[in-house]
Amino acid sequence: AQSVAQPEDQVNVAEGNPLTVKCTYSVSGNPYLFWYVQYPNRGLQFLLKYITGDNLVKGSYGFEAEFNKSQTSFHLKKPSALVSDSALYFCASSTSARQLTFGSGTQLTVLP
Amino acid sequence: NAGVMQNPRHLVRRRGQEARLRCSPMKGHSHVYWYRQLPEEGLKFMVYLQKENIIDESGMPKERFSAEFPKEGPSILRIQQVVRGDSAAYFCASSLPADTQYFGPGTRLTVL
Repeated sequence: AQSVAQPEDQVNVAEGNPLTVKCTYSVSGNPYLFWYVQYPNRGLQFLLKYITGDNLVKGSYGFEAEFNKSQTSFHLKKPSALVSDSALYFCASSTSARQLTFGSGTQLTVLP
Repeated sequence: NAGVMQNPRHLVRRRGQEARLRCSPMKGHSHVYWYRQLPEEGLKFMVYLQKENIIDESGMPKERFSAEFPKEGPSILRIQQVVRGDSAAYFCASSLPADTQYFGPGTRLTVL
């Protein structure tokens, strides 16, 4: 069975500072890993994915994530946070690009 | 290229009524997924469909819930005899085969 953990319900960061949103996974076999962002009363917006290849994945809006197999992690990062990055972030996994298993979400607040 | 469309965006039903949620996938996508987001929870997979076929319904409640994706027209998630516990946001996603899922804006169901 797959599972995804986002250990922080809430992350606060000052505008201009680097941000990290943590994600760990438990998947048998080779994982497909995703990050999505949800703004209030909106659907999920795709940010980036890891399937295979380079461990550092670059995505939309300056976000990137690093796949670490030994630590079973896929943390989301951005070098310089914007107030407009404030939203709910979800990490998700899949073993066959079919159904997604989501983490519980992390509310990111970027303070001006 | 229009994204995934869902309607209605908001739906209010009284206990015992039926709810019908519609999802039109992105142009060219033949794979549709339904997820449910309960208050204060992450997204949970419900069902995965291709045109005229249910591929995986392991996340669907055993009773009152059904889904279809006909040859023509949108995918429909149907909830019969709704109860208060069905109140949630229901999201549809679509994809190409074995590819990234793109989400619609969701339907927020309120059961009175």
